[in-house]
Amino acid sequence: EVQLVESGGALVQPGGSLTLSCAASGFTFDKHYMDWVRQAPGKGLEWVARIRNRINTYNTEYAASVKGRFTISRDDSRNSVFLQMTSLKTEDTAVYFCARSGGTYYIDYWGQGTALTVSS
Amino acid sequence: DIQMTQSPSSLSASVGDRVTITCRASQDIGNSLAWVQQKPGKAPTSLIYDSSTLQSGAPSKFSGRGYGIEFTLTISSLQPEDFATYYCQQYNEYPVTFGGGTKVEF
Repeated sequence: EVQLVESGGALVQPGGSLTLSCAASGFTFDKHYMDWVRQAPGKGLEWVARIRNRINTYNTEYAASVKGRFTISRDDSRNSVFLQMTSLKTEDTAVYFCARSGGTYYIDYWGQGTALTVSS
Repeated sequence: DIQMTQSPSSLSASVGDRVTITCRASQDIGNSLAWVQQKPGKAPTSLIYDSSTLQSGAPSKFSGRGYGIEFTLTISSLQPEDFATYYCQQYNEYPVTFGGGTKVEF
């Protein structure tokens, strides 16, 4: 069974930093691209970032709203993906979902999410 | 960026109804379209990918069709567990983008 378990959500002040983690199990982690998707309170889904697998040299993609502030990374030895967030803004407040990309790079599995609140 | 427009944004339906949701892309995305269900307070779950392929474990009452710009998700016979918000998602190019969602309610 595919499982994705996020952690690290917290209350952070504007301008602060935080790193989210996602522990994966139930599948061959190093074969898959991994994503982060977020959902602000009462809003829809917003894709944040993607990291490719080793064969594709771990290349990354970002939404314009986070590019230069957020960094996605992975540790295949620990079956984990991370989202390092800096220069946080109030508009980054959201539940952050870790997600797995399937064969044609659609999202096929989602974690339960971890909540980030950016507020003074 | 590719804009994904869903219609309607909400709809009222009854158990047993056949429901169709439409998603329109701002440019041709081929068949790179997925549908996602989200129940209140829960994580999203994937239903359909490549426009019409049912995700493993998703009920067969869900079906998708379309190519290029216009896509539809149909629920053949609405059940109580299907009352949720549905999102379309394009993955033809970056950034990946979602539609605004369609809330299916009583």
